[in-house]
Amino acid sequence: NAGVMQNPRHLVRRRGQEARLRCSPMKGHSHVYWYRQLPEEGLKFMVYLQKENIIDESGMPKERFSAEFPKEGPSILRIQQVVRGDSAAYFCASSPMTRTGSGNTIYFGEGSWLTVV
Amino acid sequence: AQSVTQPDIHITVSEGASLELRCNYSYGATPYLFWYVQSPGQGLQLLLKYFSGDTLVQGIKGFEAEFKRSQSSFNLRKPSVHWSDAAEYFCAVGGLMNTGFQKLVFGTGTRLLVSP
Repeated sequence: NAGVMQNPRHLVRRRGQEARLRCSPMKGHSHVYWYRQLPEEGLKFMVYLQKENIIDESGMPKERFSAEFPKEGPSILRIQQVVRGDSAAYFCASSPMTRTGSGNTIYFGEGSWLTVV
Repeated sequence: AQSVTQPDIHITVSEGASLELRCNYSYGATPYLFWYVQSPGQGLQLLLKYFSGDTLVQGIKGFEAEFKRSQSSFNLRKPSVHWSDAAEYFCAVGGLMNTGFQKLVFGTGTRLLVSP
């Protein structure tokens, strides 16, 4: 039973290039979350998606960042024209469909470490 | 707004000694509380969670945590620390949003060092 799968695990990009990070949720999970961990900081929520829908993107930077979760295939976090400040670990997480009035455990992937040089 | 405070940035404990990592949260309703552990260069592993019911929850690797509503705390404990417990520990609080999803807010983490 595979967990949340992220790739690539490590990515190096030059300033101005694009970075694409992929995430396949756990089997049976329909909710995907992206979090960013800057050096020496905790994780910060970026975006929450269901299949073909962005539900909450309140944590996404206004420019250069976008996310999708298509009907088929993994979720993609896309960063255009990367800058040094984008260097961070990006974690994807998934959970099963949320039941009203109860919580669900959110499972995290191993992360994708982006380095911008 | 949700927030989590982990007041200790670093803690050093001798192997075999007991451990308590502090976590205080701010949340307007009944919180869902989690502890995750992260080894260097690795992802987050769930240690334990509290949704409701018994306020003392047991987790993996011998960890436990106690939810104290009056103190807005969810401290993590372990009676005897092993060298392999050295890692970064994150407390998180979550709650159902109007949109129906659970958003986690993390503390800044506590780095545990285990001395021989």
